[in-house]
Amino acid sequence: DQQVKQNSPSLSVQEGRISILNCDYTNSMFDYFLWYKKYPAEGPTFLISISSIKDKNEDGRFTVFLNKSAKHLSLHIVPSQPGDSAVYFCAAMRNTPLVFGKGTRLSVIA
Amino acid sequence: NAGVTQTPKFRILKIGQSMTLQCTQDMNHNYMYWYRQDPGMGLKLIYYSVGAGITDKGEVPNGYNVSRSTTEDFPLRLELAAPSQTSVYFCASSTQTGGWTDTQYFGPGTRLTVL
Repeated sequence: DQQVKQNSPSLSVQEGRISILNCDYTNSMFDYFLWYKKYPAEGPTFLISISSIKDKNEDGRFTVFLNKSAKHLSLHIVPSQPGDSAVYFCAAMRNTPLVFGKGTRLSVIA
Repeated sequence: NAGVTQTPKFRILKIGQSMTLQCTQDMNHNYMYWYRQDPGMGLKLIYYSVGAGITDKGEVPNGYNVSRSTTEDFPLRLELAAPSQTSVYFCASSTQTGGWTDTQYFGPGTRLTVL
């Protein structure tokens, strides 16, 4: 039973446009959410996080939105760059180890 | 500034063989983790440790063992390798000050194939 779901295995976006990656969760007890980025043959690297007391967190080109009532979060990348092409994992937790989604592969086309 | 290092990078095992995946971190992190990632899947937690001498099972611990004798090292042991253990294994650590909310830093991974 997947507690964190990333329903889009892949996404292609033109360079300069917005990339929107989505994540849904089923466990309403989760109170902290993270996005990790992974390049081939490397380990995941932390990108951005959000606590359940917020509904938005920004870091440069990256913004995470949290909709607690819908149990949904999204990662916006504006503008998208070719170097953003990677697999993005959503993860969630509450006083427990992280639970990861299956990831979404983002391809930014020049 | 090495961060989290893992050895080996690649390994092919025969069914029934054993091996140890090494993980070392130089950031003085208390928390360390082992994950596996199967193709098209997310990361699943195998074991974790909140400090030297303390380990606990994650979501998928069967077929694995761990030990944590020092802060820096967290080896993962496969005793009787099975094809179902073919995967990419990631070690991670998180900062000393925190608990679960601290950022995890990952190693580059070990790609293991069991034939």
